[in-house]
Amino acid sequence: DGGITQSPKYLFRKEGQNVTLSCEQNLNHDAMYWYRQDPGQGLRLIYYSQIVNDFQKGDIAEGYSVSREKKESFPLTVTSAQKNPTAFYLCASTSGEGTDTQYFGPGTRLTVL
Amino acid sequence: RKEVEQDPGPFNVPEGATVAFNCTYSNSASQSFFWYRQDCRKEPKLLMSVYSSGNEDGRFTAQLNRASQYISLLIRDSKLSDSATYLCVVKGGTGRRALTFGSGTRLQVQP
Repeated sequence: DGGITQSPKYLFRKEGQNVTLSCEQNLNHDAMYWYRQDPGQGLRLIYYSQIVNDFQKGDIAEGYSVSREKKESFPLTVTSAQKNPTAFYLCASTSGEGTDTQYFGPGTRLTVL
Repeated sequence: RKEVEQDPGPFNVPEGATVAFNCTYSNSASQSFFWYRQDCRKEPKLLMSVYSSGNEDGRFTAQLNRASQYISLLIRDSKLSDSATYLCVVKGGTGRRALTFGSGTRLQVQP
């Protein structure tokens, strides 16, 4: 089955530790996105990548980093510089030009203790 | 001012009722519009795109008013399974490939 997978579903980390969230898609989509959602809030864009080896900052990139070495993979690292990392993180992808429909992975709930 | 604004609700309606949600957006150059549905603690899923001429999908009707910069979603004959948060989503203007999400309107359909 084609889709987007994120792992793990739940993640707990101590304050000050970096943590990497996985996002993999087998939809052959060009563009991938990372969003953060806080309770009662909409999704806010962290980073996006329209093509392999290229990515752009979104609205709230500070304290986060990404890489796009493969088309299928777009991991997000939450660094110790992110002041409030506890949130629901969602990865999405689109096929690229001509379509705006985004397909989401199931999300990772990160809790920093 | 938020780029995309929605009434957070909750809208509590009985089964079979008709309910409407509105959403306003601030960027007049916005190009594409969508309604997504998000169940509690789950990822958002596309409900429907919104076209200038209005469009309908079963019990759901979406309308776009570019002049007033608002989008609406009408749900007829509400079902218990319609209970969810409905996110208004806009594709931004010049050069912005990513989508901008509203905070969502929560709907609770009651038996």
